Amino acid sequence: DAGVIQSPRHEVTEMGQEVTLRCKPISGHNSLFWYRQTMMRGLELLIYFNNNVPIDDSGMPEDRFSAKMPNASFSTLKIQPSEPRDSAVYFCASSLGGASSGDEQFFGPGTRLTVL
Amino acid sequence: DQQVKQNSPSLRVQEGRISILNCDYTNSMFDYFLWYKKYPAEGPTFLISISSIKDKNEDGRFTVFLNKSAKHLSLHIVPSQPGDSAVYFCAASEYNTDKLIFGTGTRLQVFP
Repeated sequence: DAGVIQSPRHEVTEMGQEVTLRCKPISGHNSLFWYRQTMMRGLELLIYFNNNVPIDDSGMPEDRFSAKMPNASFSTLKIQPSEPRDSAVYFCASSLGGASSGDEQFFGPGTRLTVL
Repeated sequence: DQQVKQNSPSLRVQEGRISILNCDYTNSMFDYFLWYKKYPAEGPTFLISISSIKDKNEDGRFTVFLNKSAKHLSLHIVPSQPGDSAVYFCAASEYNTDKLIFGTGTRLQVFP
């Protein structure tokens, strides 16, 4: 298996533009997580899905952020409009179950987003 | 408010010596704790975990200790190797939830 796949790996955009980050989880995994990594706050959970259904989006910063999982093999995280403070590395992770099952989360390589 | 805190942003250890990475938490409902390791330009990878019913878990050179009364856990790496140089994240979850709460990470550098 190729592991969790994220695209693009790097994204540079201007303030106000729409940004879409993409994730393909490991086949057969039922849970998908979106994280944001910054120096100040470390790894923050933004939202997670179980069986394609959003379970907890309390970490989503504000209405400019939205996430979808239309099927078991694809998820998107969209920022519209983007702002310079959104600059960070965004990780997608998947697991067979969730932390409550003791299942390991497998992370993708991340997307480094820079908003100018 | 950080529920999981790693107060040391960096640590330098000589090869062969012990590395001790520390983590504190504030949420008494956490019952499962994990350490992840991250190399530059890669995603974090799972290293070791411990349930709150235990106070120690060992896997090769890596041992995690949990002190529930102090709400503190630590990761010991013995002996440290240059390949252990990475950022280490502590994470925790509450009973019966799938959410992991991560700390800010500690950058470990193992020098020859």
